[in-house]
Amino acid sequence: QKEVEQDPGPLSVPEGAIVSLNCTYSNSAFQYFMWYRQYSRKGPELLMYTYSSGNKEDGRFTAQVDKSSKYISLFIRDSQPSDSATYLCAGRGQNFVFGPGTRLSVLP
Amino acid sequence: NAGVMQNPRHLVRRRGQEARLRCSPMKGHSHVYWYRQLPEEGLKFMVYLQKENIIDESGMPKERFSAEFPKEGPSILRIQQVVRGDSAAYFCASSPGEGTEQYFGPGTRLTVT
Repeated sequence: QKEVEQDPGPLSVPEGAIVSLNCTYSNSAFQYFMWYRQYSRKGPELLMYTYSSGNKEDGRFTAQVDKSSKYISLFIRDSQPSDSATYLCAGRGQNFVFGPGTRLSVLP
Repeated sequence: NAGVMQNPRHLVRRRGQEARLRCSPMKGHSHVYWYRQLPEEGLKFMVYLQKENIIDESGMPKERFSAEFPKEGPSILRIQQVVRGDSAAYFCASSPGEGTEQYFGPGTRLTVT
């Protein structure tokens, strides 16, 4: 079992939709979690950095961590075509472990 | 404030040659991480360094790969005697402290012919 799992997608939504991206992880020692957005052939861009359980909001993005079920989510409100990218989640144990990413396509 | 810088952005090497990838962290960051990414795969941790120290190299192949982060200058990831399987995107990230958020560079795409 991989330490961090994501549905690879692709996930296609219409512009303006609420997007829900999810990850599961297996290492109960994870305390810190991150979400990154990666455009094709570019470096990952940090979106959210959270500690332990709970919600964190930043603009159109909300990150949610549920440590009891080892489940992390990223919600994107009012999605835009410019949100089309691959979204990577990561958890930190000894080092940060990344999921394979979910490819999102927001259609105009 | 400049972000993480990596060079070269693209590197082509023939089998058996050496590849040197450079990473300059964000200003004020003393922690550097190297990752490798293959198409359709996630980022795989390779090595974590602080100035003049390798903290964790558990993700780095035992042979042909080495990394350093000298007191002055950029961090270097060095791959000796490259093979076709080394072709990948190599990303560097930096952070202001241990376990804090990481900021990535644009990556170096290595192609071994």
